[in-house]
Amino acid sequence: DAGVIQSPRHEVTEMGQEVTLRCKPISGHDYLFWYRQTMMRGLELLIYFNNNVPIDDSGMPEDRFSAKMPNASFSTLKIQPSEPRDSAVYFCASSFRSPVYNEQFFGPGTRLTVL
Amino acid sequence: SQQGEEDPQALSIQEGENATMNCSYKTSINNLQWYRQNSGRGLVHLILIRSNEREKHSGRLRVTLDTSKKSSSLLITASRAADTASYFCATQTAGGTSYGKLTFGQGTILTVHP
Repeated sequence: DAGVIQSPRHEVTEMGQEVTLRCKPISGHDYLFWYRQTMMRGLELLIYFNNNVPIDDSGMPEDRFSAKMPNASFSTLKIQPSEPRDSAVYFCASSFRSPVYNEQFFGPGTRLTVL
Repeated sequence: SQQGEEDPQALSIQEGENATMNCSYKTSINNLQWYRQNSGRGLVHLILIRSNEREKHSGRLRVTLDTSKKSSSLLITASRAADTASYFCATQTAGGTSYGKLTFGQGTILTVHP
């Protein structure tokens, strides 16, 4: 299994531009999570899906952020318009069945720099 | 706000020594997990301990959980330079709006010198 796949691995953009991050979860996993990691705030859960349906988006910082999961094998996190304070590493993770007892598998992350 | 808080924030030891990291949390949990993050990489799951368990072992790792004190510890025995990484505790609760969420602490940076 290839594990959780994220693209791009690095993204450098200018303030005001739209940014789209992509994630392919592990096949068969029915939970998908988007996290953001910064030095100041650590790891934050932004949103998570169960069977492609958003369950909890309370961590999404503001309306500039949106996430979709059109099918079981693909999810996107979009920032529009981007701002310098959005610079961070964004991780996607997936898990199988109930995540209450199961581990989450993390992708390698996308390092976003907004100039 | 962070559920788990690790202590110490940074730990520097020599190869062969044991490393102990602590985690405290605030609310009732269903389980607590420990993850490792190597520099520039994603997190990797190490071990999970359920709320009704007190101790768990996996290779050189030993995890304890004290639900009365809302704390956990991760012990790495006979450390190696390859253990150099950040270690995070994460808590999961069941039910309510936080079902399935993992809430991470700020992590402990472990450096093992050869």
